[in-house]
Amino acid sequence: AQSVSQHNHHVILSEAASLELGCNYSYGGTVNLFWYVQYPGQHLQLLLKYFSGDPLVKGIKGFEAEFIKSKFSFNLRKPSVQWSDTAEYFCAVNAGNMLTFGGGTRLMVKP
Amino acid sequence: DVKVTQSSRYLVKRTGEKVFLECVQDMDHENMFWYRQDPGLGLRLIYFSYDVKMKEKGDIPEGYSVSREKKERFSLILESASTNQTSMYLCASSFFSGRAYNEQFFGPGTRLTVL
Repeated sequence: AQSVSQHNHHVILSEAASLELGCNYSYGGTVNLFWYVQYPGQHLQLLLKYFSGDPLVKGIKGFEAEFIKSKFSFNLRKPSVQWSDTAEYFCAVNAGNMLTFGGGTRLMVKP
Repeated sequence: DVKVTQSSRYLVKRTGEKVFLECVQDMDHENMFWYRQDPGLGLRLIYFSYDVKMKEKGDIPEGYSVSREKKERFSLILESASTNQTSMYLCASSFFSGRAYNEQFFGPGTRLTVL
């Protein structure tokens, strides 16, 4: 069975700091990769996705993620975070019929 | 805009009660899903459905059942609620286009407390 690990459960940053959230998965075949975000009090929504092609994927709000197949990783990055990026971030991997989510990373950005 | 709605935002039930959680989507999506969200565990799939009257078990189906009588509606049933089913329940839907998967659209969630 596939599994997804997010190494950081809580991250606290100051505004303008750079962000990198780790995501590793265990599955040897072809995968589709996603990052979802849940802002306080809001629905879970898609931040970005990778299906194929360029392994560097750009999403909404200045986020990007890089798929490194050899490392089974799909890390999320943003060069300069804002207070409004305070949220919980979930990495998810699909192989077959089901989407498997990581445990989530709570990001707090201090103004 | 895709809209996924869930019947209740907050629900309090007693141990042993039968609980129904309803989810409706308005985008004619084939696929619908029920997850529970617990701190540190992320989202875990309970059941999903890829067509009317079709259902598949997810990672944690024990203690739950589902019903999909119409394409737009997917119900989660707790036959006899227990305190360890206290959680946030999220419904999602997606369309099928021949890819293995597409973006899932989520509802606002139902926070269920079982006393």
